This record gives sequence, C-alpha cells and structure tokens, in this order.
Amino acid sequence: DQQVKQNSPSLSVQEGRISILNCDYTNSMFDYFLWYKKYPAEGPTFLISISSIKDKNEDGRFTVFLNKSAKHLSLHIVPSQPGDSAVYFCAASVGLFGNEKLTFGTGTRLTIIP
Amino acid sequence: ETGVTQSPTHLIKTRGQQVTLRCSSQSGHNTVSWYQQALGQGPQFIFQYYREEENGRGNFPPRFSGLQFPNYSSELNVNALELDDSALYLCASSSPTGEGNIQYFGAGTRLSVL
Repeated sequence: DQQVKQNSPSLSVQEGRISILNCDYTNSMFDYFLWYKKYPAEGPTFLISISSIKDKNEDGRFTVFLNKSAKHLSLHIVPSQPGDSAVYFCAASVGLFGNEKLTFGTGTRLTIIP
Repeated sequence: ETGVTQSPTHLIKTRGQQVTLRCSSQSGHNTVSWYQQALGQGPQFIFQYYREEENGRGNFPPRFSGLQFPNYSSELNVNALELDDSALYLCASSSPTGEGNIQYFGAGTRLSVL
C-alpha cells in the first residue's frame, strides 16, 4: 500500500528553466509534508516542508505547493541549476509536532541539462 | 556542529548471520529513527527511539531490533539475515521540540547479504 506516490521516476530540465516535481498521497491523516534531496553515496538532505494548514511555502529558489482536496503536492525549483541534479523524495507524516514516522515516495531523479 | 554519522559505511554478510549497525545522532538531538532503503525504493521506517525507549515501529519483523544509549547514539541489530535484507540502512536524528518532523539523515550503511 503505497501511501505516498511519485509517479515520475525521472525528469530532465534545461538549466535556468523551472523544474516541477509532483507527489500524491492517499492518507488523509497526513499533516506535514517534506521534500528531501539525495545525492549518490549521501543521506537524504532536508530541502523544504509544508504543514497542512498552508498551501504554499517558499524558500529561495524552492517553493512547495499543497492541494489538500486533491491530495497532491509539488516542488518548484526556479531557476534550475546543475547542482540540483539529484533524486528528490517526497515524505509525509501524521502530526505537526514531534517525530512520528516519515512515509516516503519512491523518488524522482532530476537531471538538469547545462 | 556534528551531523549524523553512521558506521560502517559498507558491510557484507551471509544469510543467517547477525549484524549491528551504529549511529551517532546530531548534537542536541535525542530522537533516532532507522529506515531501510531498498534499491529503487524510498526509505521505509523501521523504528524510532526516544530517550532510550522504542517510540514507534514500522512493518518489520522482531528480528530487527534496536537500542538507544544515554548519549542518544543508537544501534540497529538484525538477526538471521535474509537476502532481502540487502539495502541501504539510514539513521536520522531529530529533536521533539518545534514544528514539523525535520529528521536529519546520515549517509547510511550499505548492507549486502550473500
């Protein structure tokens, strides 16, 4: 039962353009959503998060949008840079505070073409 | 500030053996979570330790067990290894205070079971 789904295994984007990574979830109990980036031979690195009481959160080049009615979130990267090439994981948890388990999607490999 | 460190980085075992993986949490963090990442999949939650007690467990059999020590470092033990246990094992630390579930990951231990 895949509660968090990333349906695009890979995405290629030209440098300087917008990268849009998508994530869908099925569990309506999820309150908090996170994006992690992972380079080879490294652990996932936290990128940006959003709580269910918001529909947008922005941090520099990264913006996450949440559509609760559609159970969908997306990560926008503008402008895309070669260093953004990595695997991106969407994750979700129940509870805004504390440290309940994270449920991850299967990841999207983003390649930025110079 | 020291991040999350895991040891060893790589490990090869044979089926039926036992293995112990180690994790040192980030300074100031008292919660440690363990995840298993199989090839091509997202990390899956194994269990979490808070103040030396198990604080939540995922869908893993009892042969996966753990410990947390007074300095908040942690061990993951796997008995009776099976071929399917071959994966990247990730440790993440966090603090229970504050909004969200920002877990910071180590680089992982890659376990190969032959």
